[in-house]
Amino acid sequence: GAGVSQSPSNKVTEKGKDVELRCDPISGHTALYWYRQSLGQGLEFLIYFQGNSAPDKSGLPSDRFSAERTGGSVSTLTIQRTQQEDSAVYLCASSTRTGGGTFGSGTRLTVV
Amino acid sequence: QQQVKQSPQSLIVQKGGISIINCAYENTAFDYFPWYQQFPGKGPALLIAIRPDVSEKKEGRFTISFNKSAKQFSLHIMDSQPGDSATYFCAASKADSWGKLQFGAGTQVVVTP
Repeated sequence: GAGVSQSPSNKVTEKGKDVELRCDPISGHTALYWYRQSLGQGLEFLIYFQGNSAPDKSGLPSDRFSAERTGGSVSTLTIQRTQQEDSAVYLCASSTRTGGGTFGSGTRLTVV
Repeated sequence: QQQVKQSPQSLIVQKGGISIINCAYENTAFDYFPWYQQFPGKGPALLIAIRPDVSEKKEGRFTISFNKSAKQFSLHIMDSQPGDSATYFCAASKADSWGKLQFGAGTQVVVTP
């Protein structure tokens, strides 16, 4: 497809379980980033991958959060031991090096 | 600490009117200032962006005005249409990490017929 694809679109999980969220960026986009959108916090930067450089993890809220990007393409955001405050929409975006990101529609995570 | 402050939180404008949203930033190292439009259930979509070497950029009905000395920038939506009803976010980032965007809190715009 032409856009950024995220899966699943919705995820309900029990508190304490681990979850994996997937992002398929636009082909050829070297940069990939994850954001979290919640009612109370707005849009928060989580992590940023640029080419083969070490990722910028400065936005990850705790060590329960991690992300990887395999082969410079698909990325997975993992949340371990989920908590209710992790409930949010997790957005992935990709772009070329020169700016202007394209966002996916997000994964709505609900922790019950 | 919110690095980008956006106002108003919401606004209602009649069809054909002008919508104006304002943002202010603190970090003078920011040099990329995009605006995003978001519809319910969708991710934000890049609308228009500006770099600090210009004071204004226009694309169709959308114009960004940038005031570097005041550290402020604004979005003007001319001839507002009901289809423009959405939430608008301003953002800012640095040249060496432009993907690490600091977003404003968002403005919900409603255009009445």
